[in-house]
Amino acid sequence: GENVEQHPSTLSVQEGDSAVIKCTYSDSASNYFPWYKQELGKRPQLIIDIRSNVGEKKDQRIAVTLNKTAKHFSLHITETQPEDSAVYFCAAKPQAGANNLFFGTGTRLTVIP
Amino acid sequence: DTAVSQTPKYLVTQMGNDKSIKCEQNLGHDTMYWYKQDSKKFLKIMFSYNNKELIINETVPNRFSPKSPDKAHLNLHINSLELGDSAVYFCASSSHYGYTFGSGTRLTVV
Repeated sequence: GENVEQHPSTLSVQEGDSAVIKCTYSDSASNYFPWYKQELGKRPQLIIDIRSNVGEKKDQRIAVTLNKTAKHFSLHITETQPEDSAVYFCAAKPQAGANNLFFGTGTRLTVIP
Repeated sequence: DTAVSQTPKYLVTQMGNDKSIKCEQNLGHDTMYWYKQDSKKFLKIMFSYNNKELIINETVPNRFSPKSPDKAHLNLHINSLELGDSAVYFCASSSHYGYTFGSGTRLTVV
């Protein structure tokens, strides 16, 4: 099955700086890569996603890049704010079979005011 | 209206008991899931289910069983609860791509 690795496990940045979280996946047939944000005690919520036919996608301060050849994708948050502090999960969906998402191990981002 | 709702939100029970967690979605999605989030925050799929197919993660003990009375519901039954079952359990649903998660059920086995 798909195996998703995520780094770093924890990340602290000063408010206003950028944060980058990286993920790799093993199944070259995976075609959908969402990112979820989970605030303390709450459910994971989709913040941005990218499909395999696109190399980059941006939504205000958040962007995701995908390198299919290298099988890695990254989340970029610019001008970080304290409310960005949360656990972020990347995920990958294999093309075959059910719509299962395989999640990375999560990155705890702390934005220091 | 909550898109994916789970009940109960908290569940404390003794070892050896049998318990159920309910999940309902009103999004019209075809597929529903159960995920387990352990103390290290790892999200691991347990089951995925649509009207035609149940896919079980082979690492899930057979004490866990999903029950789907209809397309909008996927309940999780757990028999003979063990201490290691303590975790947050998330229900989710999807159409083709993005998931919508429920608010989670924190299960504590004592």
